[in-house]
Amino acid sequence: AQSVTQPDIHITVSEGASLELRCNYSYGATPYLFWYVQSPGQGLQLLLKYFSGDTLVQGIKGFEAEFKRSQSSFNLRKPSVHWSDAAEYFCAVGATGAGSYQLTFGKGTKLSVIP
Amino acid sequence: DTAVSQTPKYLVTQMGNDKSIKCEQNLGHDTMYWYKQDSKKFLKIMFSYNNKELIINETVPNRFSPKSPDKAHLNLHINSLELGDSAVYFCASSQATGQETQYFGPGTRLLVL
Repeated sequence: AQSVTQPDIHITVSEGASLELRCNYSYGATPYLFWYVQSPGQGLQLLLKYFSGDTLVQGIKGFEAEFKRSQSSFNLRKPSVHWSDAAEYFCAVGATGAGSYQLTFGKGTKLSVIP
Repeated sequence: DTAVSQTPKYLVTQMGNDKSIKCEQNLGHDTMYWYKQDSKKFLKIMFSYNNKELIINETVPNRFSPKSPDKAHLNLHINSLELGDSAVYFCASSQATGQETQYFGPGTRLLVL
């Protein structure tokens, strides 16, 4: 079965600093990979996704992520963080398990931004 | 227009009550899902329906019963609510049951007292 690990529970960065959120997955084949963001009291918004092709994917709000098969990673990056980026970030892997396709989420990384 | 909507947004109720959460999507998607997010923010799938047919039914107490009257709606009925049912419940939809992106609703925050 697939699994997702987000090693960092909570990260604090200063506004304007760069950001990298880590995500590692476990799956026997090439997975479909997603990053979602959840602002306080809100639902989940898709930031970006990787299905195939170019391993560096661009998303909304200036985010990008790089798929590295050798490291089973899909880390999320942003060159300059804004205060409005403070939220919970979830990495997810989409794969077929038990005969049906489903998303498996990591436990999330909470991002705090210092003004 | 809201793509995936849920009602109510907040639900506070007593133990033992029965309650329903409604979900509607106007994206024309074939597949809909229910997820539970616990107090530690962990998201786990509960059910998935494709064209009104149940395709995923994770290990969920049978007090939870999803109902899909048509492919644009997936409701969640919960009988005999327990304290441990307190969570945020998210509805989502996708084009089909494959690798398509899932779009999430705003969530329903359930508190059982």
